[in-house]
Amino acid sequence: EVQLVESGGGLVKPGGSLRLSCAASGFTFSNAWMSWVRQAPGKGLEWVGRIKSKTDGGTTDYAAPVKGRFTISRDDSKNTLYLQMNSLKTEDTAVYYCTTGLFTVPDAFDIWGQGTMVTVSS
Amino acid sequence: DIVMTQTPLSLSVTPGQPASISCKSSQSLLHSDGKTYLYWYLQKPGQSPQLLIYEVSSRFSGVPDRFSGSGSGTDFTLKISRVEAEDVGVYYCMQGIHLPPYTFGQGTKLEIK
Repeated sequence: EVQLVESGGGLVKPGGSLRLSCAASGFTFSNAWMSWVRQAPGKGLEWVGRIKSKTDGGTTDYAAPVKGRFTISRDDSKNTLYLQMNSLKTEDTAVYYCTTGLFTVPDAFDIWGQGTMVTVSS
Repeated sequence: DIVMTQTPLSLSVTPGQPASISCKSSQSLLHSDGKTYLYWYLQKPGQSPQLLIYEVSSRFSGVPDRFSGSGSGTDFTLKISRVEAEDVGVYYCMQGIHLPPYTFGQGTKLEIK
């Protein structure tokens, strides 16, 4: 079964750091372009960033609000995607989803995890 | 960044009746490869988003054929031919051509009357 499972969310103070993980199973993770998408409480969806497969360069792209603070990485040997979040702000409070386009095209996010909640508050 | 504008932001539909959601982009989503990178998602209450439509009009596997997507350039529409109770949730369009970033519409909340 194809699955994405996020973990690592929690409560953190402003200025703090947190690392999220996304464990993939049921597909060839190393070939996948992976994205993080977040959703603030009661709000819409916001793309956070993406990492390409190593065969496609392994490069990363970020949304402007997180660029320079967040880092996406992957460990293909562990089938795991990471989101390192530094200098957290209250506005980073959200459910964070990992997602990928597996069955259709890379940009069509057709597989989503269940999400992990990050709360930034003093 | 590309701005995606959805209308309406909410709609209430009687079961069995049709529903339509509009999505307009601030720039054309037509790529030089001939494809148009416009997607539709549904987020049911308490769930993760799920892909409905990709590249304007292609239904994702398992999506009922009462859902259809159409449009071109900057104007797109998601139609539900006969709304069912299980269709409640928030619908989002998203563009995947002018990257980064991917950008979503604000969402349209569908309720059942």
